[in-house]
Amino acid sequence: AQSVTQLGSHVSVSEGALVLLRCNYSSSVPPYLFWYVQYPNQGLQLLLKYTSAATLVKGINGFEAEFKKSETSFHLTKPSAHMSDAAEYFCAVSGPAGTALIFGKGTTLSVSS
Amino acid sequence: GAVVSQHPSRVICKSGTSVKIECRSLDFQATTMFWYRQFPKQSLMLMATSNEGSKATYEQGVEKDKFLINHASLTLSTLTVTSAHPEDSSFYICSATPPRGGINEQFFGPGTRLTVL
Repeated sequence: AQSVTQLGSHVSVSEGALVLLRCNYSSSVPPYLFWYVQYPNQGLQLLLKYTSAATLVKGINGFEAEFKKSETSFHLTKPSAHMSDAAEYFCAVSGPAGTALIFGKGTTLSVSS
Repeated sequence: GAVVSQHPSRVICKSGTSVKIECRSLDFQATTMFWYRQFPKQSLMLMATSNEGSKATYEQGVEKDKFLINHASLTLSTLTVTSAHPEDSSFYICSATPPRGGINEQFFGPGTRLTVL
């Protein structure tokens, strides 16, 4: 069985500060991992995905994530937060083909000026 | 990239009526589509898996007779909320998977906000 745990339901940072959103996964097979962002009343937008190529994955809007198998982690980072980064972020792990993604509970990112 | 649309984006209905939500894959054929429900400030909850030409597979606790899913073609799946009640008010999101091997990647629709009065 696969699962995802997002540590911290709410993260607050100042504009310009480092953003770190934590995600740990559990998977019995090599996982595919995803980070999505959701703005209020909108659908999910894919930020980046890990597909067993490079362990450091760069995504849109300056975000990146590093796959660490030894730590079963896939934390999302951004060097300098912007006000527009305030949103809900979801980490997800992919199951076998034809099955739904398994989502974490989400982390709300707040950015203050 | 692959695009998934949902219609309507927002619907308000009276209690007891039925509401149909459409999910379309615009530039690819989707053998599998998924329906999620999201309550405010919560994560996505998988409701059902919809496969073209066959009955949907519902998650435990999801009422099949209340949430009717039809995947009649490779580009269209519909979710009908029958006899809607205020507790059915929620944000419904669909996703679709292209029929290719390798990464099990899903493409998400923009969501439908259902409000039942």
